[in-house]
Amino acid sequence: GQQLNQSPQSMFIQEGEDVSMNCTSSSIFNTWLWYKQDPGEGPVLLIALYKAGELTSNGRLTAQFGITRKDSFLNISASIPSDVGIYFCAGLYQTGANNLFFGTGTRLTVIP
Amino acid sequence: ETGVTQSPTHLIKTRGQQVTLRCSSQSGHNTVSWYQQALGQGPQFIFQYYREEENGRGNFPPRFSGLQFPNYSSELNVNALELDDSALYLCASSLSFLSGRPGELFFGEGSRLTVL
Repeated sequence: GQQLNQSPQSMFIQEGEDVSMNCTSSSIFNTWLWYKQDPGEGPVLLIALYKAGELTSNGRLTAQFGITRKDSFLNISASIPSDVGIYFCAGLYQTGANNLFFGTGTRLTVIP
Repeated sequence: ETGVTQSPTHLIKTRGQQVTLRCSSQSGHNTVSWYQQALGQGPQFIFQYYREEENGRGNFPPRFSGLQFPNYSSELNVNALELDDSALYLCASSLSFLSGRPGELFFGEGSRLTVL
């Protein structure tokens, strides 16, 4: 099945710094999404991308749907302590069922 | 607006037993998906229910089965539990794929299953 690789696996950054993470796939997707998961919680949707090349922002978060449809990028500007958590990319190929393929996750730690 | 709720939050079973996990979808959502998340991994799609029928399934054996009820709540049943079934089971609700926003899921906090 499809394998989504995220990098980096983990990041330690100072509060106020910008963060970049990416996700690559061996297969193409029609939709890319980014979710954040806090300890003891389910994932929460951050950004959804529906078109190759699309660049979308949500507050301090910006994500892009790669032109090849095999990758996506997430940037967080001016990080704050509550950005701590695990960030997952997810790809969706078919419509009709929410069969998301999730990445391996990037664990973000923000040092105050 | 009521979010997605799951029960139980934690449970311990032994190998060979059966388990039923429950999920109430978010108000207004008619589609429910179930995911398995092993420790340190991303969630993995088990199946989806829409209009009380399974309409999508991941790479899971038949001993993983489910139900959706008229009020859109759902159950996940796992028979003949194996040690590798130990995981966080996440339920997610959404509008139907016809809404034009595929993949936008609202997850519950999950049920953590430990199989001994």
